[in-house]
Amino acid sequence: QSVLAQPPSVSGAPGQRVTISCTGTTSNIGGGYDVHWYRQLPGTAPKVVIYAITKRPSGVPDRFSGSRSGTSASLAITGLQAEDEADYYCQSYDSSLHGLVFGPGTKVTV
Amino acid sequence: QVQLVESGGGVVQPGSSLRLSCVGSGFTFKKDALYWVRQAPGKGLEWVAVISGDGRTAYYADSVKGRFTIARDNSINTFYLEMSGLRVEDTAVFYCARTNYAAYPDWGQGTLVTVSS
Repeated sequence: QSVLAQPPSVSGAPGQRVTISCTGTTSNIGGGYDVHWYRQLPGTAPKVVIYAITKRPSGVPDRFSGSRSGTSASLAITGLQAEDEADYYCQSYDSSLHGLVFGPGTKVTV
Repeated sequence: QVQLVESGGGVVQPGSSLRLSCVGSGFTFKKDALYWVRQAPGKGLEWVAVISGDGRTAYYADSVKGRFTIARDNSINTFYLEMSGLRVEDTAVFYCARTNYAAYPDWGQGTLVTVSS
């Protein structure tokens, strides 16, 4: 059972916009702790697409954006492309557990 | 450029012990808390343990508490995960990670631990 909640899957047509929600509590996302988003393809290590809620690493298209409101965070992908198909995980820190917490992952289908 | 490189994975029998290592470079090693995260085959990411920069404080996920020990040697920029009483359900890719407030999180490429009879 993951501490953070994500939808199991989202889908969209090429060019459309999709959003992935990540819901936590006041001991993690709502407590002001960072939220990072990872993209993972089968057999590979997770790759950061958004860090510190809204920051985008170099090399990640500006079609990816992040936000936070209260105890939830969101990842938005606009102008959806076939190459965006992957599993996406959110991650934060939890002050009660003193450790990292993850969502169960969301499969994006184009 | 930050690098984290894991080693020590392998195939072991249930009940066995194994030690994973992670060597860090490109940052002030002794200043940062460091984490172990794992991913079982076909499953999501699970935090395992964290150790403070000075090595004095450590926390564990309930699933490994009492069986795994995290440690570090700042003189050689290396931290460890000592695993004992391994179970089939501990089979996973183990990643070492570093994440500080408002900063880019760094991960290693992972090392596979397989627990099987």
